[in-house]
Amino acid sequence: EPEVTQTPSHQVTQMGQEVILRCVPISNHLYFYWYRQILGQKVEFLVSFYNNEISEKSEIFDDQFSVERPDGSNFTLKIRSTKLEDSAMYFCASKTGTAYEQYFGPGTRLTVT
Amino acid sequence: AQSVTQPDIHITVSEGASLELRCNYSYGATPYLFWYVQSPGQGLQLLLKYFSGDTLVQGIKGFEAEFKRSQSSFNLRKPSVHWSDAAEYFCAVVDLWGSQGNLIFGKGTKLSVKP
Repeated sequence: EPEVTQTPSHQVTQMGQEVILRCVPISNHLYFYWYRQILGQKVEFLVSFYNNEISEKSEIFDDQFSVERPDGSNFTLKIRSTKLEDSAMYFCASKTGTAYEQYFGPGTRLTVT
Repeated sequence: AQSVTQPDIHITVSEGASLELRCNYSYGATPYLFWYVQSPGQGLQLLLKYFSGDTLVQGIKGFEAEFKRSQSSFNLRKPSVHWSDAAEYFCAVVDLWGSQGNLIFGKGTKLSVKP
């Protein structure tokens, strides 16, 4: 059964450094998402991506964040200059063009020190 | 704005006992609702969904959920819990005010299962 994959599973970085979180969505899916979950808090929407552009973003997704689909399979989230408060679990998700249900990857735990 | 509330942070049940996890949503029209499960080290796995029609929906792993519009609820149930059901459970609703169907999640309920 196809699944969403994410790498790395855990990333530790120093404050101010750039990080890139990688995702491979399910191959025939058209919509891609990033969510994050700060420890003990809700899973929160960050950004959605369709047709090679951002279609919606939350207020969390500020200028420090960017997303890219550099090729036909990868979907990346870049944080330019990490802050302590960026420490969280980041989930990638994808869905087809017609359905509402999203399929999630296992997440990347980002720790900013 | 839409919201999802899961009032129970942590629930412990004995193996073989029945389970009900509560979820309340805030939305004016008929919501599109989901339950996801997250086992340790795993991603969010879709258990079941409700869009319309029959208010009792069946999912994977023997779970079911009932949509009650009058109570704005979508509670998850299982008649007999197995030790492997220990995980965190998330209720979610599609944000229909957004353009691309992003999800709004509750805070999750952690389920522990006693032998």
